Amino acid sequence: GIQVEQSPPDLILQEGANSTLRCNFSDSVNNLQWFHQNPWGQLINLFYIPSGTKQNGRLSATTVATERYSLLYISSSQTTDSGVYFCAVNSGGSNYKLTFGKGTLLTVNP
Amino acid sequence: DTGVSQDPRHKITKRGQNVTFRCDPISEHNRLYWYRQTLGQGPEFLTYFQNEAQLEKSRLLSDRFSAERPKGSFSTLEIQRTEQGDSAMYLCASSLLGFRNNEQFFGPGTRLTVL
Repeated sequence: GIQVEQSPPDLILQEGANSTLRCNFSDSVNNLQWFHQNPWGQLINLFYIPSGTKQNGRLSATTVATERYSLLYISSSQTTDSGVYFCAVNSGGSNYKLTFGKGTLLTVNP
Repeated sequence: DTGVSQDPRHKITKRGQNVTFRCDPISEHNRLYWYRQTLGQGPEFLTYFQNEAQLEKSRLLSDRFSAERPKGSFSTLEIQRTEQGDSAMYLCASSLLGFRNNEQFFGPGTRLTVL
């Protein structure tokens, strides 16, 4: 099956700093989603982005499908951005299940 | 428009007991998924339904696990004879077939602890 690798595994920032999270995947994808898992465990949808670039406030994402990676940018980070960020994809005939990476644990200190 | 809901949010049980979790998807969504997440890992797919039909089951879903979606609306996941290794977060998601390649939306999860 498709492999998803996220980097870095951990990231510690001071409030106000910018960051870039990366997601590499091993095959072409039909769907790519970025999620933020809050401290209570709920996965919050950030972006549906199988290709191209999108922006939502301080967050933006870019997926370069031909090179099999996606980037999530967080600008002017806030303490509420802390949590785990997951990239998830589906591909080929498996258009039903998402395969997740192991996530990036982001800690934003005041 | 309400999101995906799950009940209960937390469940503590003793080894060997049976537990059942419920998921209510977003109302117009015809696909429903179950995932399991253990500490430090991303969620892993367990099974999914399209309307009332269970179309795929992962090898992670042992014989002690059963899922139903009898009327194509809510779903239940039952674990029989729980083991300590079943302790995990159980996540439910839903999607609308064909919309944005089945973009999935997740519920808050049920955290299971088996003592």
